[in-house]
Amino acid sequence: SAVISQKPSRDICQRGTSLTIQCQVDSQVTMMFWYRQQPGQSLTLIATANQGSEATYESGFVIDKFPISRPNLTFSTLTVSNMSPEDSSIYLCSVATSGEGEQYFGPGTRLTVT
Amino acid sequence: EDQVTQSPEALRLQEGESSSLNCSYTVSGLRGLFWYRQDPGKGPEFLFTLYSAGEEKEKERLKATLTKKESFLHITAPKPEDSATYLCAVQAGNYGQNFVFGPGTRLSVLP
Repeated sequence: SAVISQKPSRDICQRGTSLTIQCQVDSQVTMMFWYRQQPGQSLTLIATANQGSEATYESGFVIDKFPISRPNLTFSTLTVSNMSPEDSSIYLCSVATSGEGEQYFGPGTRLTVT
Repeated sequence: EDQVTQSPEALRLQEGESSSLNCSYTVSGLRGLFWYRQDPGKGPEFLFTLYSAGEEKEKERLKATLTKKESFLHITAPKPEDSATYLCAVQAGNYGQNFVFGPGTRLSVLP
């Protein structure tokens, strides 16, 4: 399994601002993903972060709101743009070493928008 | 549309009282079913992968089983440290790593 870290671990932000969340993995991985977990809810996939190309977004999520970068095989960022209180959630990155099999998750970033 | 449901929503057990959690799924072409444990304020921790009906996996007090329609997570003689939310996820379709998560079961084990 991979060791995954996220920064920041938590933040409180003002409405209308943006926050960039970093995800760092201790080894090169093929696939990285970003999830959202709203309070008391399960995980919803936002997008797949592709190395060297644009991210692939799930229905209901758009690049203008959640721009993603993946400059190499160990690092990715997710930006939450023009935030509103509805964006208050835990944001999680995960990795997989292949197209099949389990994903491993980071510790999450708890975002509160006021 | 792929769907995953879990029951019960919450479960309270006395220490040592064995029970089972259920994960039911409706997917087109199951490629894998995954169980995770999530503690408050933390990311999900991987427990098991099941690929085909009849498969079983065990780890300490936990055993996961899989049929064509559902999976069970059996907890034998649980301890308070087993208290967590247990999530199942499915990977389906012909391609892609996309997981669909169930809503989870919140397990509390009382001493």
